[in-house]
Amino acid sequence: GAVVSQHPSRVICKSGTSVKIECRSLDFQATTMFWYRQFPKKSLMLMATSNEGSKATYEQGVEKDKFLINHASLTLSTLTVTSAHPEDSSFYICSARSGGIEKLFFGSGTQLSVL
Amino acid sequence: EDKVVQSPLSLVVHEGDTVTLNCSYEVTNFRSLLWYKQEKKAPTFLFMLTSSGIEKKSGRLSSILDKKELFSILNITATQTGDSAIYLCAVGSGGSNYKLTFGKGTLLTVNP
Repeated sequence: GAVVSQHPSRVICKSGTSVKIECRSLDFQATTMFWYRQFPKKSLMLMATSNEGSKATYEQGVEKDKFLINHASLTLSTLTVTSAHPEDSSFYICSARSGGIEKLFFGSGTQLSVL
Repeated sequence: EDKVVQSPLSLVVHEGDTVTLNCSYEVTNFRSLLWYKQEKKAPTFLFMLTSSGIEKKSGRLSSILDKKELFSILNITATQTGDSAIYLCAVGSGGSNYKLTFGKGTLLTVNP
């Protein structure tokens, strides 16, 4: 099956710093990538949808200036958490979709801890 | 606003029991319904359903979709401790603006 690589898997940072998370599709072209946030034992909450070469579409309540998403190529999307605060601590997970295929393939997630 | 509602939110059973997980939805421009299993990290794909009344089966797991009543069920027979996980239901909707909306999940715990 299709492989989506996400890294880092875990990051600990100080409050006020920025953190970049990468999501790569390794064996297919990801026309659309999705970024989710997940709290312990809770479901995935969609943060934003990014299409290659265009601006990301953010869900209501998600600050686009705080969570910067770039989808510059068909195999790479990045999420940058700017000026991170402790309340941004969470599990972030990306997923990718290729063309007309409706099944999403997930990265392994990034556990962000902001001190 | 698209909605996906799963029930129960959590369930504790003994090995060998059969469980039924429920997922109902209200979305605009329905495309498909998907079930995922999440243990520790990334959700793993179980089923994708697009047509009503056609059961999909994989080993002890099976699922069916009812597009008239807007729900799906996931059955697990002869449960094992390895089935313990969060089971996520997601609905794909939209045209060019396709997105996948997840329910809150069902936390299944299978005790020996």
